[in-house]
Amino acid sequence: AQSVTQPDIHITVSEGASLELRCNYSYGATPYLFWYVQSPGQGLQLLLKYFSGDTLVQGIKGFEAEFKRSQSSFNLRKPSVHWSDAAEYFCAVATMEYGNKLVFGAGTILRVKS
Amino acid sequence: EPEVTQTPSHQVTQMGQEVILRCVPISNHLYFYWYRQILGQKVEFLVSFYNNEISEKSEIFDDQFSVERPDGSNFTLKIRSTKLEDSAMYFCASSYQGLLNTEAFFGQGTRLTVV
Repeated sequence: AQSVTQPDIHITVSEGASLELRCNYSYGATPYLFWYVQSPGQGLQLLLKYFSGDTLVQGIKGFEAEFKRSQSSFNLRKPSVHWSDAAEYFCAVATMEYGNKLVFGAGTILRVKS
Repeated sequence: EPEVTQTPSHQVTQMGQEVILRCVPISNHLYFYWYRQILGQKVEFLVSFYNNEISEKSEIFDDQFSVERPDGSNFTLKIRSTKLEDSAMYFCASSYQGLLNTEAFFGQGTRLTVV
């Protein structure tokens, strides 16, 4: 079945440490990839997106993500995490075969310790 | 910066009652969506709306649900005869074009509790 997998439910990192959140998808068609962040009590904010071109994309708040077609992955990274990055992060995919809608992963909750 | 706004932020309703969740999409956007997130579960697609009609809907979006764009700015989700299992966070989103061309922007969500 077509799906988006975020293997890590929770991740804890120290402030200032690097971060990588994993996302894998299982779609045959070209994927259009997104990362959203949800802070407590807030809505879903778009961090970055990949449609085509350079497979390393830059987003807001110092985040970046790399599309690796061979690994069906779109992992989110940040070189130095800030306490304000504590939130839940969602990977989402749109594909032509799935129509005009997003399929979300289950989310990864990021905790930042000082 | 333009944003999608949703009202109310919280709604508590009795089982069997009807609720209407309201959204104001970004003004020049053409595509509108509703998603929901049951506590502890994934964000799920409900329905997309374009050119004043439903363009796609999920299996969840049965006859209990309806959407409407009653004027040039609002986009509503109506749930008739609510059930306990309708308790969830409901997100409205909009995009300028379809999601294969542009991103969707989400509102803050309406937390619906059915008691």
